[in-house]
Amino acid sequence: EADIYQTPRYLVIGTGKKITLECSQTMGHDKMYWYQQDPGMELHLIHYSYGVNSTEKGDLSSESTVSRIRTEHFPLTLESARPSHTSQYLCASSEDPPGGNGYTFGSGTRLTVV
Amino acid sequence: GENVEQHPSTLSVQEGDSAVIKCTYSDSASNYFPWYKQELGKGPQLIIDIRSNVGEKKDQRIAVTLNKTAKHFSLHITETQPEDSAVYFCAAIPLNRDDKIIFGKGTRLHILP
Repeated sequence: EADIYQTPRYLVIGTGKKITLECSQTMGHDKMYWYQQDPGMELHLIHYSYGVNSTEKGDLSSESTVSRIRTEHFPLTLESARPSHTSQYLCASSEDPPGGNGYTFGSGTRLTVV
Repeated sequence: GENVEQHPSTLSVQEGDSAVIKCTYSDSASNYFPWYKQELGKGPQLIIDIRSNVGEKKDQRIAVTLNKTAKHFSLHITETQPEDSAVYFCAAIPLNRDDKIIFGKGTRLHILP
């Protein structure tokens, strides 16, 4: 079954640690996205990619970085985690053409930095 | 650029009654309007969508209406059930804007027993 997977589901980590949040999709979508969701529900786009070797920053500034070496894989990395990075991170993908059938979201990673 | 406003931010409805969530958009070129439901601990899931060449779409207990002239679109849930409790997001995709979805800020729907 085509889907999008995020690991880990939950992560508690100490300040200063480097972390990578994994996102993989089996649908062959070229476009992938990372959203940060605050406790007030709102979704903030922090990174997106239109395909292999394509990465762009989103509307909300983030200290995280992303890479897209393979179509199916779009990991997000924080070099030095801080308590301000505590949040829910959601990965999504979409097909072409623009508009397509909307986004498919993963289940999210809830990150807590202590 | 496109801006999507969503109201209300919180909605409490008695089980069995109807719930309505309303959104407005600013870019008249937007042509695709999906609705997402996010249950606790999960990512948003597409529940229904409508394109700009259609005024209304139904799928069992949920329906979406679109008024292009007024730039309004709404989600209607009839005969609400406890499993309808969730956060709902409306969204719009402007034509020729890199196909990035513009989301509303979400509505937390509580179904009261």
